[in-house]
Amino acid sequence: SQQGEEDPQALSIQEGENATMNCSYKTSINNLQWYRQNSGRGLVHLILIRSNEREKHSGRLRVTLDTSKKSSSLLITASRAADTASYFCATDADDYKLSFGAGTTVTVRA
Amino acid sequence: DTAVSQTPKYLVTQMGNDKSIKCEQNLGHDTMYWYKQDSKKFLKIMFSYNNKELIINETVPNRFSPKSPDKAHLNLHINSLELGDSAVYFCASSQDYGGETQYFGPGTRLLVL
Repeated sequence: SQQGEEDPQALSIQEGENATMNCSYKTSINNLQWYRQNSGRGLVHLILIRSNEREKHSGRLRVTLDTSKKSSSLLITASRAADTASYFCATDADDYKLSFGAGTTVTVRA
Repeated sequence: DTAVSQTPKYLVTQMGNDKSIKCEQNLGHDTMYWYKQDSKKFLKIMFSYNNKELIINETVPNRFSPKSPDKAHLNLHINSLELGDSAVYFCASSQDYGGETQYFGPGTRLLVL
């Protein structure tokens, strides 16, 4: 069954703006990961945040995790055209697999 | 020096045919996976192997049969293809099982006519 749900389903922003997307999940997790998928390509791992962490940064990416609300957010700062992609959250919930959401499609307009 | 590779990239075939998709990883990982991504981009785990042993076998039709000849290879054979099998199939690998970071192949786009 699907564990994570991303919100919004789609997002369109101007180059240079920030993009924020959220992920909610249902059960306790060990970690939460974000992946990017460019059109016609495979998924690429962006960042992993463990259940005992609240915030993590990687370049222009900032991820937060609120285990009490069972939610996470991914912020992309100063967006570029190359950030146009679908973004997926994936949760690890002790069953030897990652459960992916349906993704947020981000379009960055020049 | 591709990390996870899949062949073929595209597969167009008739209903009822049998086809195979191959996956290879050169990362030295112990665990490999098959996912199916539908037209709405929903990604669903199908199978996972750890050190050539099946550890995840989700509810998929038994027309789908994975085979792992060694740690670096995981193939997917599909018998009696149906229209609903049309999707993108991704192979992935991770160092170990249990929620590790996964590395995905480029996908195989299967179209059943």
